[in-house]
Amino acid sequence: DVKVTQSSRYLVKRTGEKVFLECVQDMDHENMFWYRQDPGLGLRLIYFSYDVKMKEKGDIPEGYSVSREKKERFSLILESASTNQTSMYLCASSRRGGPTEAFFGQGTRLTVV
Amino acid sequence: DQQVKQNSPSLSVQEGRISILNCDYTNSMFDYFLWYKKYPAEGPTFLISISSIKDKNEDGRFTVFLNKSAKHLSLHIVPSQPGDSAVYFCAAFYQTGANNLFFGTGTRLTVIP
Repeated sequence: DVKVTQSSRYLVKRTGEKVFLECVQDMDHENMFWYRQDPGLGLRLIYFSYDVKMKEKGDIPEGYSVSREKKERFSLILESASTNQTSMYLCASSRRGGPTEAFFGQGTRLTVV
Repeated sequence: DQQVKQNSPSLSVQEGRISILNCDYTNSMFDYFLWYKKYPAEGPTFLISISSIKDKNEDGRFTVFLNKSAKHLSLHIVPSQPGDSAVYFCAAFYQTGANNLFFGTGTRLTVIP
């Protein structure tokens, strides 16, 4: 069974903290994504990676950075958490080329207080 | 600019009746379309897809219709069941170096027993 696993289901962090969200996939996929989901706004792409150490900005990269040191792992970093980053964060992976479906993790509900 | 739009944020349907979820897109380069289903506190799961060379794809109770001239697709669920209550996201794909999967804002379907 294919799997994308996010390290935490729920997180509560304080404003100004550095936050790490981890994602691991076991499908040997080249592509990995970080989205955030907010009511009425759908899924918005934060960052995308198509290979180890490669990254591309998505629609809303401000305030975020990413790291992909290994093919199976893609980390999202909130450099200095703010309350407007309270959201559901979703990691996904897909194989290179297409068309292809993306497989999602279970999501991390982050609350910044 | 939102390239994939779901103009109905919510839909309520009686159990056993048909649910029709709609999606419009603006980019004529899209050549593959997907529907995802999302329960609260879970990641989206792939439901059904359609290639732009087809106008219909069926999988059990789920059928997706594509009208390329109108840049419109729809998901039909017949008969609707209470377990179908979820948020449905439409997504569109075309081969590009960066972000290749574009999501709509979602429609919350409620199936009333």
